Amino acid sequence: DGGITQSPKYLFRKEGQNVTLSCEQNLNHDAMYWYRQDPGQGLRLIYYSQIVNDFQKGDIAEGYSVSREKKESFPLTVTSAQKNPTAFYLCASSAGRGGSYEQYFGPGTRLTVT
Amino acid sequence: GENVEQHPSTLSVQEGDSAVIKCTYSDSASNYFPWYKQELGKGPQLIIDIRSNVGEKKDQRIAVTLNKTAKHFSLHITETQPEDSAVYFCAASRDMRFGAGTRLTVKP
Repeated sequence: DGGITQSPKYLFRKEGQNVTLSCEQNLNHDAMYWYRQDPGQGLRLIYYSQIVNDFQKGDIAEGYSVSREKKESFPLTVTSAQKNPTAFYLCASSAGRGGSYEQYFGPGTRLTVT
Repeated sequence: GENVEQHPSTLSVQEGDSAVIKCTYSDSASNYFPWYKQELGKGPQLIIDIRSNVGEKKDQRIAVTLNKTAKHFSLHITETQPEDSAVYFCAASRDMRFGAGTRLTVKP
């Protein structure tokens, strides 16, 4: 089955610890995205990548880092510098330049930091 | 960058009525306008999209209209059903800035 997966579904961490959220896609998509969603709010773009080994900051990149070493994978690290990391994190992918703009979303990871 | 505003933030309708959600955008270069439906605890799913060379697109009970001059686009759901209850998001442009979302409740 083609799709985009995120793991784990729920993640708990202590304040001050870095944590990495996984995102994998087997859709052969060039572009991948990370969004943050807070209760009752919209999707805010953290980082996006249009191609392997390249990525750009979104609107709220501070306190986050990403890598794009493989086409299928776009992990997000929430660092201890992120002041309010508890949120629902969504990963998405799209065909990218020259292809469809439609985004396919993963099921999300709910991160709780205490 | 693109700025997308979405209204209303909540919408409650009776089953069978129509629902309309509106979005405005700021970047006149935007040329792709999707609508996503998000059910509780899940990721959003595309329900309909429109490109800037088209004024209206319809898919069964769902339609989207686009006014490029005024820079706004709308989602229309007719004959609403309880399973239409969800949060709906609009977006604009290739780098995908989303509106804040509309929580639609369809009362049986």
